[in-house]
Amino acid sequence: GQNIDQPTEMTATEGAIVQINCTYQTSGFNGLFWYQQHAGEAPTFLSYNVLDGLEEKGRFSSFLSRSKGYSYLLLKELQMKDSASYLCAVRDSNYQLIWGAGTKLIIKP
Amino acid sequence: IAGITQAPTSQILAAGRRMTLRCTQDMRHNAMYWYRQDLGLGLRLIHYSNTAGTTGKGEVPDGYSVSRANTDDFPLTLASAVPSQTSVYFCASSEDNSYNEQFFGPGTRLTVL
Repeated sequence: GQNIDQPTEMTATEGAIVQINCTYQTSGFNGLFWYQQHAGEAPTFLSYNVLDGLEEKGRFSSFLSRSKGYSYLLLKELQMKDSASYLCAVRDSNYQLIWGAGTKLIIKP
Repeated sequence: IAGITQAPTSQILAAGRRMTLRCTQDMRHNAMYWYRQDLGLGLRLIHYSNTAGTTGKGEVPDGYSVSRANTDDFPLTLASAVPSQTSVYFCASSEDNSYNEQFFGPGTRLTVL
């Protein structure tokens, strides 16, 4: 079966750095996405990786290792507004997105 | 304002009733999707459409139907609602079904009693 694993919840301090991991087992691989979802709102796109390595976009970076079935999202200089759920999703061989359950990130002052 | 709209925002429905959730996008995207999101579970694909006139089944299609008569609209119908269909429903679209990101509507919170 297809499976996306990520931690249920993480806590970090304002101004710090946090890494959210995602491991996947899917039928085929056509890219990995990270989305942010604030409580009661729709998911919004953060990043996309299809090749191994690090993609940096401002305070957010995303890493992919296809051989290990592993990705992480790195958030730097955390702000209170970063409190949200972070969703990992893999596009499978049918070009459909398979979603993890999301990681709820709590930022403390 | 470009984007995706969904209606209604929320709805309480008696079991056995028929309900259509509406979704409209004005970005001229070819692909559209319906997901449900339940606590502790990832988004699950219900149905999708890669282009106007075509639809396909996702991971959890039973009890739901869709149509795609034109590019902009992608309604989701529950023929006879059951309590297990209580969920938050998100409509999404993308330029096509290949590598582009998906844009999500604000969601419909549906409660079936």
